Amino acid sequence: DQQVKQNSPSLSVQEGRISILNCDYTNSMFDYFLWYKKYPAEGPTFLISISSIKDKNEDGRFTVFLNKSAKHLSLHIVPSQPGDSAVYFCAASDGSSNTGKLIFGQGTTLQVKP
Amino acid sequence: DVKVTQSSRYLVKRTGEKVFLECVQDMDHENMFWYRQDPGLGLRLIYFSYDVKMKEKGDIPEGYSVSREKKERFSLILESASTNQTSMYLCASSLRTWKGSFFGQGTRLTVV
Repeated sequence: DQQVKQNSPSLSVQEGRISILNCDYTNSMFDYFLWYKKYPAEGPTFLISISSIKDKNEDGRFTVFLNKSAKHLSLHIVPSQPGDSAVYFCAASDGSSNTGKLIFGQGTTLQVKP
Repeated sequence: DVKVTQSSRYLVKRTGEKVFLECVQDMDHENMFWYRQDPGLGLRLIYFSYDVKMKEKGDIPEGYSVSREKKERFSLILESASTNQTSMYLCASSLRTWKGSFFGQGTRLTVV
């Protein structure tokens, strides 16, 4: 039972254009969402997060949108750069638990072409 | 900067061997985690610990055990390695005051 789903295994965009990565979840107890970026042979690094009380959070070129009614969040990267090419994981934290556990999606591989 | 260090980047072990993966964090974090990453499956939680000597099973604990004797160190043990445990193993740690985690660089384990 996949509680966090990233239905697009891969995405390819041109440098300078917008990249939109999507994530869906099923558990209404999730209260905090994060995006991680992972290069091959490295650990994931934190990118941006959003609390369930917000619908948008922006940090430079990265913006995360949350639609609670649709149980959907998206990461927008504008403008996309070749260095953004990586695997992006969406993760969710269960508000009923204080353990710090994260539930991850399957990941989306983003390729930004020069 | 938070540092989570895994003892090996790459390991090759034989089927049936007992394997130890070590993880150390230097920021006094309460929570520590072991995940494995496989293509198309994302990161799956194996075990986690929210205090010294405390541990809880994650989603896929079968074939694994853990040890947390000191706050900064969390070890993952493969009791008898099998080929289906070939994977990227990722250690992470977190504070109780923030719901995100900091990850180590990963250990690519191959069981032959």
